[in-house]
Amino acid sequence: SQTIHQWPATLVQPVGSPLSLECTVEGTSNPNLYWYRQAAGRGLQLLFYSVGIGQISSEVPQNLSASRPQDRQFILSSKKLLLSDSGFYLCAWSVRSGNQPQHFGDGTRLSIL
Amino acid sequence: DAKTTQPPSMDCAEGRAANLPCNHSTISGNEYVYWYRQIHSQGPQYIIHGLKNNETNEMASLIITEDRKSSTLILPHATLRDTAVYYCIDKAAGNKLTFGGGTRVLVKP
Repeated sequence: SQTIHQWPATLVQPVGSPLSLECTVEGTSNPNLYWYRQAAGRGLQLLFYSVGIGQISSEVPQNLSASRPQDRQFILSSKKLLLSDSGFYLCAWSVRSGNQPQHFGDGTRLSIL
Repeated sequence: DAKTTQPPSMDCAEGRAANLPCNHSTISGNEYVYWYRQIHSQGPQYIIHGLKNNETNEMASLIITEDRKSSTLILPHATLRDTAVYYCIDKAAGNKLTFGGGTRVLVKP
């Protein structure tokens, strides 16, 4: 069966520090990969999605970037974190074709001080 | 913005069926109805999805009206672990998920 792993589960970072969140998927090949952010009490905001290695689409301009160095690895990064980057970051995957659902990891709760 | 409407909250007795309604009156012909739930501090969990036929899996049943403007998620025997926020989403292939406010379900013993 397929599994998705995100780490770390929680992270506290000072303003201006760099960020690297990692997500890996097992048990499937060529998945679509997604990064979402969920602010407290609000819905999900799609940040990036990828349909293949090195292929990244950005949904909103922001202080973050994403990379997909391997088929089942998706990384969310920032060079200098802002206070507004605080939130719950979720990685998800789906098969490429049709209307198959997205499956989420357990998320990383990021607090910026 | 979410295009679906759900009641903000509902209570359910443990062991009884929970029927969660959702209105999606502007759904397009190529959009599916997806249900997810989110337990506090966890990622959303996929439950079930459908286009126009009723669907059932090990977690729940999905009943979609003939005009596709509304649906009901049925948890046949609610347990305390089913306490969560339940989201109904209408989405076409390739489009992003947009979560609305959802329904906060509290299963009581």
